[in-house]
Amino acid sequence: EDQVTQSPEALRLQEGESSSLNCSYTVSGLRGLFWYRQDPGKGPEFLFTLYSAGEEKEKERLKATLTKKESFLHITAPKPEDSATYLCAVTRGAAGNKLTFGGGTRVLVKP
Amino acid sequence: ETGVTQSPTHLIKTRGQQVTLRCSSQSGHNTVSWYQQALGQGPQFIFQYYREEENGRGNFPPRFSGLQFPNYSSELNVNALELDDSALYLCASSLDGAGGPREQFFGPGTRLTVL
Repeated sequence: EDQVTQSPEALRLQEGESSSLNCSYTVSGLRGLFWYRQDPGKGPEFLFTLYSAGEEKEKERLKATLTKKESFLHITAPKPEDSATYLCAVTRGAAGNKLTFGGGTRVLVKP
Repeated sequence: ETGVTQSPTHLIKTRGQQVTLRCSSQSGHNTVSWYQQALGQGPQFIFQYYREEENGRGNFPPRFSGLQFPNYSSELNVNALELDDSALYLCASSLDGAGGPREQFFGPGTRLTVL
């Protein structure tokens, strides 16, 4: 069974204090790893897709990287508007193309 | 380009009742997936519809059922509601086919409360 574990569960940062979120996964035949941002009471917002180990993607202050066992989401010089829950999900791309999500990391950036 | 929409936004039901949730997929997308998200947890896959056929199901009982229509919109039906069914129900659409998994775009969700 596919498993995704995110750490830490919660992260409090000062504005400008860079940090990294971890997503470790156990999946047979990974076809894709996805990062989403979710604000309270709203649906997840797509951020990145990573397909193979060594791949990196960037968007504003966020950078996602992928190895064979885990992915990292680096937040550089965060601002209060980066406060959200960040979700990681994997898919084997088999029938159903279901996403298996981790529990998320709640990030709070204080001014 | 219109994003994924869901209705209603909020819903309150009592135990044993039935509920229907609706989702309109993003323009051009042919696949709809449904997820259940309990408070403080990640979304859990319920099932997926591709071109009007069920295309994979998670660990949910048969009282969770769905439909996809020719315009690729979708419904999630839950019978015999239980207290544990209280959650945020998320619909996601994607453009699937040859070429591997594509990113899924989520709607705002329907908050279901079962009393």
